Amino acid sequence: GQNIDQPTEMTATEGAIVQINCTYQTSGFNGLFWYQQHAGEAPTFLSYNVLDGLEEKGRFSSFLSRSKGYSYLLLKELQMKDSASYLCAVMDSNYQLIWGAGTKLIIKP
Amino acid sequence: GAVVSQHPSRVICKSGTSVKIECRSLDFQATTMFWYRQFPKQSLMLMATSNEGSKATYEQGVEKDKFLINHASLTLSTLTVTSAHPEDSSFYICSARATETEQFFGPGTRLTVL
Repeated sequence: GQNIDQPTEMTATEGAIVQINCTYQTSGFNGLFWYQQHAGEAPTFLSYNVLDGLEEKGRFSSFLSRSKGYSYLLLKELQMKDSASYLCAVMDSNYQLIWGAGTKLIIKP
Repeated sequence: GAVVSQHPSRVICKSGTSVKIECRSLDFQATTMFWYRQFPKQSLMLMATSNEGSKATYEQGVEKDKFLINHASLTLSTLTVTSAHPEDSSFYICSARATETEQFFGPGTRLTVL
């Protein structure tokens, strides 16, 4: 079956760095996405990785290892507004998104 | 990025009534749109894939006669929750596929059934 695993909840301190991991097993692979979702709102796109390596975009970076079925989202210089759920999703061979359950990130002052 | 709208953003209805939610891609054409449901503190659950001009594909466990989907044009898909009950209260989100790997989400519709 298809499976996406990510931690349920993480806590970090304002100004610090946090890494949110995601492991996956899917039928085919056409890329891995990270989305941010604030409570009561729709997800917003953060990153897309289809090749191995690190993609950096401002304070956020995303890493992919296809051989390991592994990705992480790295958030630097954490701000209170980064408190949200972070969703990992993999696009399978049919170009369908398979979603993880999301990681709730709590930022403390 | 591309813009997807949903209407209404919030709806409260009585048990037994039907509710229609619209999803529109405003600046691109979408042959495929997706309908998701999200219960509190849970992740997105794909309900169905809506293809323009053809029948929607429903995920296992989703009743197609209860959740009617119509994708009549390249910019509009509608989800009708028929005979809604309190357990249908949820956050309904649509997304529209712009390219094979790009999907854009609508802002969501909060449905409360009394």
